[in-house]
Amino acid sequence: DTGVSQDPRHKITKRGQNVTFRCDPISEHNRLYWYRQTLGQGPEFLTYFQNEAQLEKSRLLSDRFSAERPKGSFSTLEIQRTEQGDSAMYLCASSFGLADTDTQYFGPGTRLTVL
Amino acid sequence: AQKITQTQPGMFVQEKEAVTLDCTYDTSDPSYGLFWYKQPSSGEMIFLIYQGSYDQQNATEGRYSLNFQKARKSANLVISASQLGDSAMYFCAMRASGAGANNLFFGTGTRLTVIP
Repeated sequence: DTGVSQDPRHKITKRGQNVTFRCDPISEHNRLYWYRQTLGQGPEFLTYFQNEAQLEKSRLLSDRFSAERPKGSFSTLEIQRTEQGDSAMYLCASSFGLADTDTQYFGPGTRLTVL
Repeated sequence: AQKITQTQPGMFVQEKEAVTLDCTYDTSDPSYGLFWYKQPSSGEMIFLIYQGSYDQQNATEGRYSLNFQKARKSANLVISASQLGDSAMYFCAMRASGAGANNLFFGTGTRLTVIP
């Protein structure tokens, strides 16, 4: 399977703990995106990488959130001092980065529950 | 600012029948792309179809077609010959050419249920 993969698929944590999620994009894709999806809503953009450079961050990405893509391949999203409002599905997507018809392909997501 | 509106929270369709899922959008950018994704209960967003704002013809991909009406700012998804496996959430999304051109804006989705 050469699709986008995410790990873990589910994470339950207590409020105040730190969590880290991993995303492995499709190998030839140089763009990687993180989205957050809460119940009953569509995904909302968090941040985007072109290779290893983080080029765009949403206002949703508070200072408790940090994302990295150190070698331009896999990416990690860390949430520090988790809050109950952080409970959501965290989706990763990747794309080639071509203009116009560039299509983002999504992974299965990591469902975070903060108790 | 970009906005996607999906006014149908839920839709039902008989197996083998066609169904149209509505999507309207708002943007001031002259160039944009419209996407439809399917999200089964497993959570993964599955790309279905793409329509560019300058495309002259409506996009088609197998049983999926996009009814693009630019003047009305609508991009409805048509699924023909519905199958039980089509039961899922369906999201319309847009990528504009201006600021934030690298991310997708999603609607709130429509839950489609196919009845045997």
